[in-house]
Amino acid sequence: AQTVTQSQPEMSVQEAETVTLSCTYDTSESNYYLFWYKQPPSRQMILVIRQEAYKQQNATENRFSVNFQKAAKSFSLKISDSQLGDTAMYFCAFMEFSSGSARQLTFGSGTQLTVLP
Amino acid sequence: DAGVTQSPTHLIKTRGQHVTLRCSPISGHKSVSWYQQVLGQGPQFIFQYYEKEERGRGNFPDRFSARQFPNYSSELNVNALLLGDSALYLCASSFVGGRPRTYEQYFGPGTRLTVT
Repeated sequence: AQTVTQSQPEMSVQEAETVTLSCTYDTSESNYYLFWYKQPPSRQMILVIRQEAYKQQNATENRFSVNFQKAAKSFSLKISDSQLGDTAMYFCAFMEFSSGSARQLTFGSGTQLTVLP
Repeated sequence: DAGVTQSPTHLIKTRGQHVTLRCSPISGHKSVSWYQQVLGQGPQFIFQYYEKEERGRGNFPDRFSARQFPNYSSELNVNALLLGDSALYLCASSFVGGRPRTYEQYFGPGTRLTVT
């Protein structure tokens, strides 16, 4: 079974600064996706960024980028130029996609990020 | 385009009752997944349906069941409610297919279930 670990329950960052959220995972699969979702107080789970395991290049979406270290099974999220609207719970999630398997997400326990003015 | 919609938004039930939660996926999405999110934790996978067939089930008791309709909307049913079933229930839809294949799941706003 896959497990996802987020070791930072809470983090804070000053507005306009950069912050990195950590995530490690454990799997014996070779084909998988990794995702970061954010969940603001409104509860809506919003997809931030995804990374295909077969791609060596780290994914980037505007101010959000990842550092994917496949051998180390590490998948950190970097948020640049932090904005107040980035305040949310951030979840790292794993999805393996071997043939015939359900495309289920396995989530970590989350990191509460607070952006300070 | 409308996102994933869920109803109701909030629900209060008594122990032993049953509940039905509803989800409508994004137009064109044929796969629906259900997750349970207990306060302070990450979501836990309950079910996935694709083309009206169950494709996966998480570690939940048989009191939990679901189905998907021809229009790809879905229902989650929970019988004999327990206090521990109090949680946010999230529905996610995904478009299966395309080139390259994509597997992103897009979530609805959730249904907050409180069991007293």
